[in-house]
Amino acid sequence: ETGVTQSPTHLIKTRGQQVTLRCSSQSGHNTVSWYQQALGQGPQFIFQYYREEENGRGNFPPRFSGLQFPNYSSELNVNALELDDSALYLCASSLRMGASSYEQYFGPGTRLTVT
Amino acid sequence: DAKTTQPPSMDCAEGRAANLPCNHSTISGNEYVYWYRQIHSQGPQYIIHGLKNNETNEMASLIITEDRKSSTLILPHATLRDTAVYYCIVKGTSGSRLTFGEGTQLTVNP
Repeated sequence: ETGVTQSPTHLIKTRGQQVTLRCSSQSGHNTVSWYQQALGQGPQFIFQYYREEENGRGNFPPRFSGLQFPNYSSELNVNALELDDSALYLCASSLRMGASSYEQYFGPGTRLTVT
Repeated sequence: DAKTTQPPSMDCAEGRAANLPCNHSTISGNEYVYWYRQIHSQGPQYIIHGLKNNETNEMASLIITEDRKSSTLILPHATLRDTAVYYCIVKGTSGSRLTFGEGTQLTVNP
C-alpha cells in the first residue's frame, strides 16, 4: 500500500464524452504525475503537476488536461474521448524539494473503457 | 533520459535468487537507476534506486557496475508473489517523468 488512492476504479464512457479521474497523493508528497497504460504496454507519461502548475508533459494532445489542488490531490480530465483512450490511468505521487525530484509511488489505477 | 535494455522474459525457481539485468550504456553522471515492478493490472511498485554504489533494502539489492553502464536487480529468495514485469528506468534528479520500456517478465515457478 502506497497511500496513493484513485477514483473511480473502473469507468465506461462513450466516444465523444468527457471524463474526470481523481487522485489523492501520499501524505508528505507535493507532486503528482499521470500515466496512461494501454493493454500490453508500459506506462506512458502524460504530465506532472507541482505547486498547482503543469511541470512537464508527454506526447499527449491538449484534450488531456489536469489540475492540482492546494492539498496536492489532482484531477485528470480527458475531453472528446476516443476509442484509443481506453487504458489504465495511473497516478503517482512524489516529493520534490527544489530542483530534486524523488521516487514516485503509484496508485492502483483507473481502468477506462471507451465504447 | 538514457534508454535502457532488458531481456523480455526470465524464469526463476521459487526460493532461488532472481538476477534481472539492465543495460544503460548512455547513462549520464547525474542520472539514477530506478527499478519498479508491476503485478498484473496493478499500479507499478517502487523497488529500489541507486546512483553508483550498490544499494540494498528489504525488497531487493541493486548492483551497479563501476562504469555505470549496466546494473542487476537481485531478489535474494524469489517467491511466487514476485512474478511480475520488472522495469529498469534511468532518470535524473530534476526530471519529471519515468520513461518505461518493455520491461522483463519474471516468472517464478514452484
